[in-house]
Amino acid sequence: EVQILETGGGLVKPGGSLRLSCATSGFNFNDYFMNWVRQAPGKGLEWVAQIRNKNYNYATYYAESLEGRVTISRDDSKSSVYLQVSSLRAEDTAIYYCTRSAGAYWGQGTLVTVSS
Amino acid sequence: DVLMTQTPVSLPVSLGGQVSISCRSSQSLVHSDGNTYLHWYLQKPGQSPQLLIYRVSNRFSGVPDRFSGSGSGTDFTLKISRVEPEDLGVYYCLQSTHFPNTFGAGTKLELK
Repeated sequence: EVQILETGGGLVKPGGSLRLSCATSGFNFNDYFMNWVRQAPGKGLEWVAQIRNKNYNYATYYAESLEGRVTISRDDSKSSVYLQVSSLRAEDTAIYYCTRSAGAYWGQGTLVTVSS
Repeated sequence: DVLMTQTPVSLPVSLGGQVSISCRSSQSLVHSDGNTYLHWYLQKPGQSPQLLIYRVSNRFSGVPDRFSGSGSGTDFTLKISRVEPEDLGVYYCLQSTHFPNTFGAGTKLELK
């Protein structure tokens, strides 16, 4: 069974940073691209970032609205993917979801709240 | 960025009825590899989104055949027939042909 678990969310002050983690199991992690998607309270879905697998040299892609403030990374030995977000703003408040490839599987998300 | 225009915003339906949701892209979603990376998701209240249809017309594992996807180029449709209570929620389209990937704004399927 595919399982995806995001952790690392919480309350952070404007200008702060967070590192979100996504632990996976139940599939061969090395074979898949991984994405982060976020959803602000009461709003729609927003794609954040993608990291490809080793076959694609771990290429990374980012939403323009976040480029320069986010870094996606992965550790194939731990079947995990990470999202480092810095210079956080109130508008970054959202549930952050980790998804496999084109969203075939999603975690439950981790809530990031940016507030003073 | 590719703009995904999803309509309607709200879609009242009677149980057992049939509905269609449209998603139009601002540019062709045909990838250089020949595939079209347009997908459909349903987000039920309080839950994570779930994949229904991938690459225009392929039903994901366990998705009932009441759901069907069609389209090409820039114009895509999700059809739901014989609507059941568990189909209610917000539907999103996503294009992953181009970076940044972009979602439609969502269509809320609700009871009349």
